[in-house]
Amino acid sequence: GAVVSQHPSRVICKSGTSVKIECRSLDFQATTMFWYRQFPKKSLMLMATSNEGSKATYEQGVEKDKFLINHASLTLSTLTVTSAHPEDSSFYICSAPGTGEYEQYFGPGTRLTVT
Amino acid sequence: GQNIDQPTEMTATEGAIVQINCTYQTSGFNGLFWYQQHAGEAPTFLSYNVLDGLEEKGRFSSFLSRSKGYSYLLLKELQMKDSASYLCAVPDNYGQNFVFGPGTRLSVLP
Repeated sequence: GAVVSQHPSRVICKSGTSVKIECRSLDFQATTMFWYRQFPKKSLMLMATSNEGSKATYEQGVEKDKFLINHASLTLSTLTVTSAHPEDSSFYICSAPGTGEYEQYFGPGTRLTVT
Repeated sequence: GQNIDQPTEMTATEGAIVQINCTYQTSGFNGLFWYQQHAGEAPTFLSYNVLDGLEEKGRFSSFLSRSKGYSYLLLKELQMKDSASYLCAVPDNYGQNFVFGPGTRLSVLP
């Protein structure tokens, strides 16, 4: 089946620094990708929809200037957490729609810890 | 919009059967998904129901009642490796991304 990768799988950074997370569709093209955030023992919450060649669409309450999304190609979307704070520590998961109706492929996730 | 509810935690014994319920309220309906998620990993697909009734797939079965806005995931012959979170999810109105329920953390005890 289709594979979505994320890099890095784990990252620790200091407060005030920026961190970039990559999401790649390995064997298919994705004009749209989704970024989710998951706090411990909580469910996945959609942050934004990444669109190749255009601006990302952010969910209500998500700061677009803090969570920068760039969909540089049909196989790569990046999420940059700028000026990270400890409250940004979370599990970030991306997904991409498959060819089947309502089909979704999830990346393995990135554990971000801000100290 | 969509509203999804699940029990937060459940505990069961190895070899037993457990039923995880999910109730939903949606402005439109494009089917309901169940995902399994182990801690620190991405969700993995378990089932998709769009019509009423029971769909059986090995040890896992999923049931849907559209009139009641209700689904359940049935796990038989529980194994220790089934300890995980189980998420029900529905596609949003545009059918591309998902709205996830809060997830049910299942602990399987020996």
